[in-house]
Amino acid sequence: GAVVSQHPSRVICKSGTSVKIECRSLDFQATTMFWYRQFPKQSLMLMATSNEGSKATYEQGVEKDKFLINHASLTLSTLTVTSAHPEDSSFYICSAIDAYEQYFGPGTRLTVT
Amino acid sequence: RKEVEQDPGPFNVPEGATVAFNCTYSNSASQSFFWYRQDCRKEPKLLMSVYSSGNEDGRFTAQLNRASQYISLLIRDSKLSDSATYLCVVNMPASGTYKYIFGTGTRLKVLA
Repeated sequence: GAVVSQHPSRVICKSGTSVKIECRSLDFQATTMFWYRQFPKQSLMLMATSNEGSKATYEQGVEKDKFLINHASLTLSTLTVTSAHPEDSSFYICSAIDAYEQYFGPGTRLTVT
Repeated sequence: RKEVEQDPGPFNVPEGATVAFNCTYSNSASQSFFWYRQDCRKEPKLLMSVYSSGNEDGRFTAQLNRASQYISLLIRDSKLSDSATYLCVVNMPASGTYKYIFGTGTRLKVLA
């Protein structure tokens, strides 16, 4: 099956700093990628749909100025958490579609201290 | 009402038992449906897609009822290794494109 990678897998940062998470489709091109967030013991919540070459579509309640998404190429989408706060600590997962199937990256665990 | 709903469980069942999960969705224009499995602190893995005619993969059977807007997953002869959270996912139209929405997940514990 298709492979999606994420980097970093784990990051700890101080409150007020920004963190960039990369999502790459390794063996296929993805015009659309999705970013999810998962808090402990909860399900995945869709944050935004990342579209190559255009603006991302954010879900209701997700601040687009706080969670910056850039999908500059067919194999790379980035999520930048700006001015991170402890409540942003979560598991961030991206996914990409290949042949109508959704493949997930391994996730990035963000801890904001 | 949430777009996709599941009973969170946990379902505690003995080895060898048959267990069924249901998932309801609110958007009647939803196009495709999936069951994913997620192990603790890992990303979700596709278990199976769900087709209108129903489909089976070994001990797993998935069914779709469009009229009632629900999908189901049946696990027969449960194994200890089936312990995980099972997530239903619905692909629904959104502003000219589509999005995948996850249910809350149902936790399954298979006991020896």
